[in-house]
Amino acid sequence: GAGVSQSPRYKVAKRGQDVALRCDPISGHVSLFWYQQALGQGPEFLTYFQNEAQLDKSGLPSDRFFAERPEGSVSTLKIQRTQQEDSAVYLCASSLALGGASEQFFGPGTRLTVL
Amino acid sequence: AQSVTQLGSHVSVSEGALVLLRCNYSSSVPPYLFWYVQYPNQGLQLLLKYTSAATLVKGINGFEAEFKKSETSFHLTKPSAHMSDAAEYFCAVSDEANSKLTFGKGITLSVRP
Repeated sequence: GAGVSQSPRYKVAKRGQDVALRCDPISGHVSLFWYQQALGQGPEFLTYFQNEAQLDKSGLPSDRFFAERPEGSVSTLKIQRTQQEDSAVYLCASSLALGGASEQFFGPGTRLTVL
Repeated sequence: AQSVTQLGSHVSVSEGALVLLRCNYSSSVPPYLFWYVQYPNQGLQLLLKYTSAATLVKGINGFEAEFKKSETSFHLTKPSAHMSDAAEYFCAVSDEANSKLTFGKGITLSVRP
């Protein structure tokens, strides 16, 4: 399909494990966003890329969270030493253009459960 | 800082009744406003957006919203609810300098037969 894809769709980790979540944006989309959605809440911004440059990482909750987009396409969100409070759905979105007016297209999310 | 308030967590309407989902925002600069819908186990889908053109915005599936600057509101309406409208709805704000979306907590819409 031509939409945003994320893998894995579901991930169960033991507390203290490292995890890596992948996002494949729509081809040609310049901007890529990561959001965290806790149960019963709205998505909250984590970080934003314009091509390969990480322009805003103000939403990353701790230095255990790290994101990269080395070639300006696929992105990976890595969480080190996972904690129970990291349990959430992690959403990736991409947009064609720059600026806040551009529509963001969302993937289905990765549901992370930390035991 | 920007914020969105969606009062109440759940709205229930009868099939064929008016749908009204409320959204109020706070922004120190001219905002862009969005409504997204989320079906179970799916990503968010854009219903409509306001980006400083017409204040009455029409979206997909018969939804529309009106930007009212004086009330800092962007309420979502649909004249006649369908069973397929049952989902979670999120209002979000951004602006020209701020590409990231700030979301409200969301409202779950139930439609009774």
